[in-house]
Amino acid sequence: SQKIEQNSEALNIQEGKTATLTCNYTNYSPAYLQWYRQDPGRGPVFLLLIRENEKEKRKERLKVTFDTTLKQSLFHITASQPADSATYLCALDTGRRALTFGSGTRLQVQP
Amino acid sequence: NAGVTQTPKFQVLKTGQSMTLQCAQDMNHNSMYWYRQDPGMGLRLIYYSASEGTTDKGEVPNGYNVSRLNKREFSLRLESAAPSQTSVYFCASSEALLSAEAFFGQGTRLTVV
Repeated sequence: SQKIEQNSEALNIQEGKTATLTCNYTNYSPAYLQWYRQDPGRGPVFLLLIRENEKEKRKERLKVTFDTTLKQSLFHITASQPADSATYLCALDTGRRALTFGSGTRLQVQP
Repeated sequence: NAGVTQTPKFQVLKTGQSMTLQCAQDMNHNSMYWYRQDPGMGLRLIYYSASEGTTDKGEVPNGYNVSRLNKREFSLRLESAAPSQTSVYFCASSEALLSAEAFFGQGTRLTVV
């Protein structure tokens, strides 16, 4: 079946370390992949967009990679801070004309 | 800097009641969306509107109707609410359907009893 997989278990890391979150997908060939941050009780907030012909995208402490052969995107937060604690969602086009979202991974950064 | 505004923020309905969730954006975006979010299931697309005057079904459209009233406003209507429609509803907008970032409202928490 077609699906987008994000690790449903929370990721706990120490402040200052690099957090790496994974988004795997099957049976799609997305032209775009996006990452969002969601805090409790709030709507998702856009972080980064990467296109299929881009291997990597960076924005400040954030880095996204997009491997269309492995059908995987990795989202990295370097020098993580407690304020980075949130749920991170990946989203991509799955043949529909609007984004399809993964269920998200909760990141907890311990001081 | 209003962005995307949803009303109401909270609502409790009895089974069978109807209601309309309102959404407005002030960014002159062409595309607008309605998603629902349930625990462990992520965001699921209910309906979307690529541009003013058009609407299309998403992944879970049953039990809902939408109206793209004008470029700014996109409403979601529940004609006969069911407990299965208890969820958090998010409206979003973007300049284009897939290639542009989406801006989300703060959500409407709906409980159907």
